[in-house]
Amino acid sequence: EVQLEESGGGLVQPGGSLTLSCAVSGFSVSSKYMTWVRQAPGKGLEWVSLLYSNADTYYGDSVKGRFTISRDNSKDTLYLQMSRLRVDDTAVYYCARVSMVRGRGYFDYWGRGTLVTVSS
Amino acid sequence: SYDLTQPPSVSVSPGQTARITCSGDGLPRIYSNWYQQKAGQAPMLVIYEDTERPSGIPERFSGSSSGTTVTLTISGVQAEDEADYYCQSADSTGRYVLFGGGTKLTVL
Repeated sequence: EVQLEESGGGLVQPGGSLTLSCAVSGFSVSSKYMTWVRQAPGKGLEWVSLLYSNADTYYGDSVKGRFTISRDNSKDTLYLQMSRLRVDDTAVYYCARVSMVRGRGYFDYWGRGTLVTVSS
Repeated sequence: SYDLTQPPSVSVSPGQTARITCSGDGLPRIYSNWYQQKAGQAPMLVIYEDTERPSGIPERFSGSSSGTTVTLTISGVQAEDEADYYCQSADSTGRYVLFGGGTKLTVL
């Protein structure tokens, strides 16, 4: 059974750093594309970052240069290192598995999310 | 890149058909996926690659595409279908993911 579980959220001051983790089971994190998506309180979904199985990484404009996506294959865990955090980074952060069909990707399994609050 | 535009809300009575649209200039060349998000829950995939339904998703959910608009259709809407629905696509490289703003489906 495929499962994803995020952790590491919490309260952090503006300008601070935080690292989120996403432990997966039922598949190997190294064999799939993985992604982070966030949702600010009362708002819609916003894509944050994408990690290809070949380790290429991609980021949304609002987090580029501040966030880093990575993985630990031995732990089957995905990470999101967040630095220079801003108040508008406050959101529930979801990790999701990406499946590909004919070069087209879709997010077929999601974690339950972890809340990050950036406030002084 | 381009934007994906959805109506903020759609309301239907039980048993009726709900249609939720998503428009974007890049859609004819790319693909779309749809996610359902019920209150307090994580999103869930209901349609991928414009028209495909994942296993376990009821047959009343279907997707279609025409020009720059893709549509999620829910036939015979049930109370349990009340949720926010998001379309999702990508730019031509597939490396920049886009979400629509979401549509709140209310079952009257």
